[in-house]
Amino acid sequence: DAGVIQSPRHEVTEMGQEVTLRCKPISGHDYLFWYRQTMMRGLELLIYFNNNVPIDDSGMPEDRFSAKMPNASFSTLKIQPSEPRDSAVYFCASTLGGGVGYTFGSGTRLTVV
Amino acid sequence: QKEVEQDPGPLSVPEGAIVSLNCTYSNSAFQYFMWYRQYSRKGPELLMYTYSSGNKEDGRFTAQVDKSSKYISLFIRDSQPSDSATYLCATSNQAGTALIFGKGTTLSVSS
Repeated sequence: DAGVIQSPRHEVTEMGQEVTLRCKPISGHDYLFWYRQTMMRGLELLIYFNNNVPIDDSGMPEDRFSAKMPNASFSTLKIQPSEPRDSAVYFCASTLGGGVGYTFGSGTRLTVV
Repeated sequence: QKEVEQDPGPLSVPEGAIVSLNCTYSNSAFQYFMWYRQYSRKGPELLMYTYSSGNKEDGRFTAQVDKSSKYISLFIRDSQPSDSATYLCATSNQAGTALIFGKGTTLSVSS
């Protein structure tokens, strides 16, 4: 298995633009997590899914953020409109059965100018 | 108070030193305790995992949990330059809920 695959690796966008981050979890994993990492706040949970259903989205900062998981092999995190304070590394992770051994992707480094 | 506190460092040690990394947590319901290692510009990877209190050893690494003081530790013996990374502690109260991470401690081991 190629692991958790995220795209793009890097994204630079202007304030106000829409940004879509993509994630392909490990095949067979039924939990998918979106985290955001910054120097100031560390790794913060944004949202997680179980069997494609959102379970906890209390970490989503505001209505500008939305996440979907249309099927077991694909998830998106969308920011519209983007702001400079959204600049961070966004990680996707997956696991089987809610186990604590998450497999993380390599992350998307987002810069909003 | 954040649920998991971790000193960000940085921590610099010479090769061969014993390293101690620590976290504290606030929620006594936490039962699962993990250490993840993150190399620069990579995603975190699971290093060690313990359930409830006690010690767990894996090669040069020992994870320790003291639930009475809500303290989590990771010890690295005979540290190597390849151990240079950011180490994140993480915890949760049950399987199927999301992990809560500390901010991470950056370790540099010089040869």
